[in-house]
Amino acid sequence: DAGITQSPRHKVTETGTPVTLRCHQTENHRYMYWYRQDPGHGLRLIHYSYGVKDTDKGEVSDGYSVSRSKTEDFLLTLESATSSQTSVYFCAISEGTGVNEKLFFGSGTQLSVL
Amino acid sequence: EDQVTQSPEALRLQEGESSSLNCSYTVSGLRGLFWYRQDPGKGPEFLFTLYSAGEEKEKERLKATLTKKESFLHITAPKPEDSATYLCAVQASGDSWGKLQFGAGTQVVVTP
Repeated sequence: DAGITQSPRHKVTETGTPVTLRCHQTENHRYMYWYRQDPGHGLRLIHYSYGVKDTDKGEVSDGYSVSRSKTEDFLLTLESATSSQTSVYFCAISEGTGVNEKLFFGSGTQLSVL
Repeated sequence: EDQVTQSPEALRLQEGESSSLNCSYTVSGLRGLFWYRQDPGKGPEFLFTLYSAGEEKEKERLKATLTKKESFLHITAPKPEDSATYLCAVQASGDSWGKLQFGAGTQVVVTP
């Protein structure tokens, strides 16, 4: 999966609990993204980063925060998990050069909020 | 508002039975249209990028085409290993790279 590791791969948590998902890349790509995938909705962008400490909101950012302190790591935090955040979360990376850009995705984290 | 609609939702094919998947889109200026393949339990895998109407790209049994309002993914003489969900996504010209609008996908099952 293009040098992208997501952890954990599966997590079950309770409503109101904070949760952090980690994405680690070995490609030294500038851009990193968090998407969620739900049946009938396709993939939706949560947050993305265009460099260390540079982040921006996506389409469905409410209830999520992100941090990027190193090029290789991008963290997604659910401050207080809700059942509506049960989903499969995918991290993606891209070079950010603007030429023949494409996203490379990790294997995903299955999160269940009970 | 940018929208991407894929049809059909699901497609069952016999091995060797060619077919096409549709991706219709509305976007305020198209920077690129992307096709991805997704296997169960895995992340999407990049297939093609199309940039302008009339463009075509091919890879093995897959061929993607683009018009001003839709894209087609043609699967010629499919094999069981072509079974997957195929995702279409668009990027608007005003958006940052990677801010893609995805369709819900077409699940393709190819039986021997």
